[in-house]
Amino acid sequence: DAKTTQPNSMESNEEEPVHLPCNHSTISGTDYIHWYRQLPSQGPEYVIHGLTSNVNNRMASLAIAEDRKSSTLILHRATLRDAAVYYCILRDVVSNFGNEKLTFGTGTRLTIIP
Amino acid sequence: DTAVSQTPKYLVTQMGNDKSIKCEQNLGHDTMYWYKQDSKKFLKIMFSYNNKELIINETVPNRFSPKSPDKAHLNLHINSLELGDSAVYFCGAGRYNSPLHFGNGTRLTVT
Repeated sequence: DAKTTQPNSMESNEEEPVHLPCNHSTISGTDYIHWYRQLPSQGPEYVIHGLTSNVNNRMASLAIAEDRKSSTLILHRATLRDAAVYYCILRDVVSNFGNEKLTFGTGTRLTIIP
Repeated sequence: DTAVSQTPKYLVTQMGNDKSIKCEQNLGHDTMYWYKQDSKKFLKIMFSYNNKELIINETVPNRFSPKSPDKAHLNLHINSLELGDSAVYFCGAGRYNSPLHFGNGTRLTVT
């Protein structure tokens, strides 16, 4: 399984941008970079994904390095509700049916300071 | 409506018992999953089904038997429960090139 490396924890002030880094030096050409987050006592929640180009959605932005060996999840204006564990994952499709095998690492625990 | 729902939310039982966790999805997706999150918070895939057919089985003990009566349901039956089975179990649903949707988990405690 392709591996990702993230800092164990980060803190940010409320209403400020947050940049969550992820290294994935062994990424292959067809691996998509996915980000999920897990709020306390909830299941993982999809945030964003991309392949080569930077991506934006209503939750966040994803900046992907040109060599694709790293990426950064950007929360433009953190709120207290963004406190969660954020997982950077390389999507591994294992069958013609498209069954996804998401290999979760330890993630980054994001604390938002009021 | 909750996209992926699991029952029960909490399950406390004794060693040696047999228990089931139910999962239902209303997204119409073909693929369903079971993930296990242990005490150290690692999330690991256990099973994946596509249209009631087992696709992924990640060396899970035979005591764990998933059952998919239709593509909207994937239940997890566990025989002869052991202390090490204590964890949070998450059901998920997805389809090709789309995000996975997870339930809110079932916290299983084996005493």
